[in-house]
Amino acid sequence: DTEVTQTPKHLVMGMTNKKSLKCEQHMGHRAMYWYKQKAKKPPELMFVYSYEKLSINESVPSRFSPECPNSSLLNLHLHALQPEDSALYLCASSQDVPGTLTGELFFGEGSRLTVL
Amino acid sequence: AQKVTQAQTEISVVEKEDVTLDCVYETRDTTYYLFWYKQPPSGELVFLIRRNSFDEQNEISGRYSWNFQKSTSSFNFTITASQVVDSAVYFCALFHNAGNMLTFGGGTRLMVKP
Repeated sequence: DTEVTQTPKHLVMGMTNKKSLKCEQHMGHRAMYWYKQKAKKPPELMFVYSYEKLSINESVPSRFSPECPNSSLLNLHLHALQPEDSALYLCASSQDVPGTLTGELFFGEGSRLTVL
Repeated sequence: AQKVTQAQTEISVVEKEDVTLDCVYETRDTTYYLFWYKQPPSGELVFLIRRNSFDEQNEISGRYSWNFQKSTSSFNFTITASQVVDSAVYFCALFHNAGNMLTFGGGTRLMVKP
């Protein structure tokens, strides 16, 4: 079983909706990540949080808004999305802070998002 | 520029065959890490191995083995006596300190038929 838990597993939303994806880990990891994965493509990095602060934003549109309420939780708030935003959104965590990675990233099972 | 290339997009084998997944990378960093991840149909990425750039020893873990060749910038992955449960997409990835990120290859979809 994965130690990174993502909810919901599936989400369907309209372009005017506001929804959130949630991610939780209890491994004491201090870095958390959001990746976006389109069908038959590799994951693409969106955001990185280190010690609960946003450290990397890969030029992601503002309709995606990350939030890290505490060291165990990571949210991704969604608003006014487009159909092309439909994808698998993967959360990950690692013990290390970016720039000093020596261990692996632990990934959740992902939230599969469909925007109508 | 950092780049990871997995030239094989899909491989199909029959159970018990050996199969090798290729990975070639490009980086200007002298210190970097290479990873292999498995992504089954359920979606999560499962860590398989990490190798740092100073450790060129090959590694074997059960039916899995990895061949790191720094001279050719390759980090190939072999599954011996493949099983149906090995069917998944496999990603090779490169971590580089300068970019603070994990760069994935395009992935290889492995289908093991009974």
